[in-house]
This record gives sequence, C-alpha cells and structure tokens, in this order.
Amino acid sequence: KQEVTQIPAALSVPEGENLVLNCSFTDSAIYNLQWFRQDPGKGLTSLLLIQSSQREQTSGRLNASLDKSSGRSTLYIAASQPGDSATYLCAVSRHNAGNMLTFGGGTRLMVKP
Amino acid sequence: GAGVSQSPRYKVAKRGQDVALRCDPISGHVSLFWYQQALGQGPEFLTYFQNEAQLDKSGLPSDRFFAERPEGSVSTLKIQRTQQEDSAVYLCASSGISTGTVNYGYTFGSGTRLTVV
Repeated sequence: KQEVTQIPAALSVPEGENLVLNCSFTDSAIYNLQWFRQDPGKGLTSLLLIQSSQREQTSGRLNASLDKSSGRSTLYIAASQPGDSATYLCAVSRHNAGNMLTFGGGTRLMVKP
Repeated sequence: GAGVSQSPRYKVAKRGQDVALRCDPISGHVSLFWYQQALGQGPEFLTYFQNEAQLDKSGLPSDRFFAERPEGSVSTLKIQRTQQEDSAVYLCASSGISTGTVNYGYTFGSGTRLTVV
C-alpha cells in the first residue's frame, strides 16, 4: 500500500525566505505526482503536476522536483510572501487506478510579514 | 459550470441520521472522485466514477456509505446512520481524463463539512 509522508508538518518563516517542503512515498510505481495548496475552509488548488517521466516542473516562484527511484519530491518556494500561507499537500497517483490520488498529511506554512 | 460545485457547504447531523452530499462536476468531465478529509490530515480516497460507472469503491469505510452518479454528471454521496467518526470534510473532484490517458490534473470542489453530533 502506497504511503506518502510530508516533512515538516508545520513551518513558520519570515517573509522573503526561500523554503523547501519535502514529500516521500513508499511505492515508486507512480503515474504522476501533484502538489496542491489548500486554504482554510477551501478545496484544493493544483499547483504543479509532474509526470513520472519528468524530473521537475516550474511555475512562477514554485519549483517541484521528482526523484522517482528514491521516492522523493520537493517543492521549492522562492521569496516567500504572506499570501503563500496555506497547507501544501503532495499526492501521487498509480497506474491503472483511474488516477486515484494518495495524499500526504500536508505541511502547514505560515509566512510572517 | 466554471468549477466543481458541492452542496451543502456545511451539514450538522444528529447521530443516526442519514445525509446526502451533492457534487456537480465540471461539464463534460468523465472522471469524478470523492475524498474524505479528517481535521488536520490529508484527503483519503473514497470512490471513483468514470461516467456513470463506479469503477472503484475500495475506500468507502463501511456499507453505510453509498455513492451514485446515475447520468454520468451529478454525483451524490449518501451516508446512512451517521456516526461521530463520519465527521470530516467530504471533497469531490472531477477530471477530463479517462483511464490510460495523460493526467492533466484534478479540479476540486470546496467540500462539504459534515459534523455529526
């Protein structure tokens, strides 16, 4: 059974810092990996999707990397802003499963002005 | 519609009551998923539809949980005889993909927060 772990569970940083969120998964036979953002009381917003054949994806200040063989992904946020405060979730999907996602527990990020 | 719509946003049910949660996916999306998110945790898979066919219901926690999507569009998640442990946010997501093709990602609804008292 696939298990996804995110470290740290919570993180508080001053505005302007660069930061890295970590995600690890136990079964490397994944179809893709996604990073989501969740604001309190809201649904999930997809930030980046990395196919299993890719190594990284970038969107603005966000960069996500994938090392499938070691079962790891990182989300790098450059020049953090208070508006980045949210919970960040990583999720992997497996082959032939309708792309059902297995989520990590999330990292709660607080960026202080 | 422009996004995935879920109703109601909040539901308080007395223990033992039956509830029905509705999901209206993005028009034309083939795939529809239900997830359960307990407080402070990541979402957990409940069930998956491709059009009107329920292809995977392995995540439903008990036979009190039932989901349907009779016309391949709107879906309803029903929970019978609710228990306190059913308290969670129920998230619906839809995707325009079908099995075996490239995944362009999901669109999630805002969820229904169920509180069983």
